[in-house]
Amino acid sequence: NAGVTQTPKFQVLKTGQSMTLQCAQDMNHNSMYWYRQDPGMGLRLIYYSASEGTTDKGEVPNGYNVSRLNKREFSLRLESAAPSQTSVYFCASRDGQGPYEQYFGPGTRLTVT
Amino acid sequence: QKEVEQNSGPLSVPEGAIASLNCTYSDRGSQSFFWYRQYSGKSPELIMFIYSNGDKEDGRFTAQLNKASQYVSLLIRDSQPSDSATYLCAVDGAGSYQLTFGKGTKLSVIP
Repeated sequence: NAGVTQTPKFQVLKTGQSMTLQCAQDMNHNSMYWYRQDPGMGLRLIYYSASEGTTDKGEVPNGYNVSRLNKREFSLRLESAAPSQTSVYFCASRDGQGPYEQYFGPGTRLTVT
Repeated sequence: QKEVEQNSGPLSVPEGAIASLNCTYSDRGSQSFFWYRQYSGKSPELIMFIYSNGDKEDGRFTAQLNKASQYVSLLIRDSQPSDSATYLCAVDGAGSYQLTFGKGTKLSVIP
């Protein structure tokens, strides 16, 4: 039981390049999330998927797109990377609303030069 | 905009002391409240959650919730150097799939 997995762990991009961050969970959770974490800013929600087939914007969606490929997988795409997107990205999953734990992946450290 | 406020710290306590971490939230409809611990360079991991007013104890950790005051706290008894981390408060709004996180309080336990 791997929990939430993310690839890659580290990535360096040049401004304007694109990339997709992959996330998968094996806990049969309905909801999945993408966060970014910057020093002094805490965890900020980029996009989430309450259930398979739905996606919604979070607090900071600009510059990102997401795809809920199936119940297990939720990807985050940067179409044209900018230095402001340098951050640590966490994927998370949860069984749904209410008192359910949200489980986090190990994170992707992205640097855009 | 739902807000969750925490004192950023750092909070320094001697080994063996009680560490008290506080969190306030703006959404009166919030239902569930979570405390996560995050070590440097790692992902957040859940310590405990609470959804009823009062205290909830789990080992050395006690979460306290006061919905009237919109206040939730975490007490760590017999603090250990291994407790040194950033503690994140998260709040689940009514009818919402999202957790809103505070910016975290950095705790240092001094041997």
